[in-house]
Amino acid sequence: AQTVTQSQPEMSVQEAETVTLSCTYDTSESDYYLFWYKQPPSRQMILVIRQEAYKQQNATENRFSVNFQKAAKSFSLKISDSQLGDAAMYFCAYNQGGSEKLVFGKGTKLTVNP
Amino acid sequence: GAGVSQSPRYKVTKRGQDVALRCDPISGHVSLYWYRQALGQGPEFLTYFNYEAQQDKSGLPNDRFSAERPEGSISTLTIQRTEQRDSAMYRCASSFRSGEVTQYFGPGTRLLVL
Repeated sequence: AQTVTQSQPEMSVQEAETVTLSCTYDTSESDYYLFWYKQPPSRQMILVIRQEAYKQQNATENRFSVNFQKAAKSFSLKISDSQLGDAAMYFCAYNQGGSEKLVFGKGTKLTVNP
Repeated sequence: GAGVSQSPRYKVTKRGQDVALRCDPISGHVSLYWYRQALGQGPEFLTYFNYEAQQDKSGLPNDRFSAERPEGSISTLTIQRTEQRDSAMYRCASSFRSGEVTQYFGPGTRLLVL
């Protein structure tokens, strides 16, 4: 079974600085998708960014970008110019192509200090 | 609607009672998913519908849990004879179609079983 590991239970960053959240996953499949979801204190679950495994180019969404290292099975999220509103739990998730379920890591709690 | 909606947002019940949790997906989305999120954990897959057909219920923990989506839109997750260990956040998500891997989550229903 696929597993997703987020080794950093908590991280902190100064406002306007850059922070990187780590995620590794275990799979023997070649067709899959990776996601980062944000869960703010409101407990909503908001999609941040998505990466297709077949794409070599790293996905970018405004201040959010990923470093996708397929051989290392690593999928880290970089947040640039951190803002107070970025404070949240961040979950890494894996979807195997052809499957409908997402497999989530345990999350990383990000604190943004003013 | 603009997003996935769930009701109730909070539910407190006594052990042994039945509860029904409702999910209204994004208009036009044919695939619907249920997840359960324990405190301090990422969401875990419960079940999945494509239109009205329940395609995968492998994540339902036992036969006290059931779900339906009779008209291919609104879905209900029912827990019979609730137990304290059922206390969690129950999340619904939808996607445009089967095979569209990006899932959009609702705000969740927080269930507390006393």
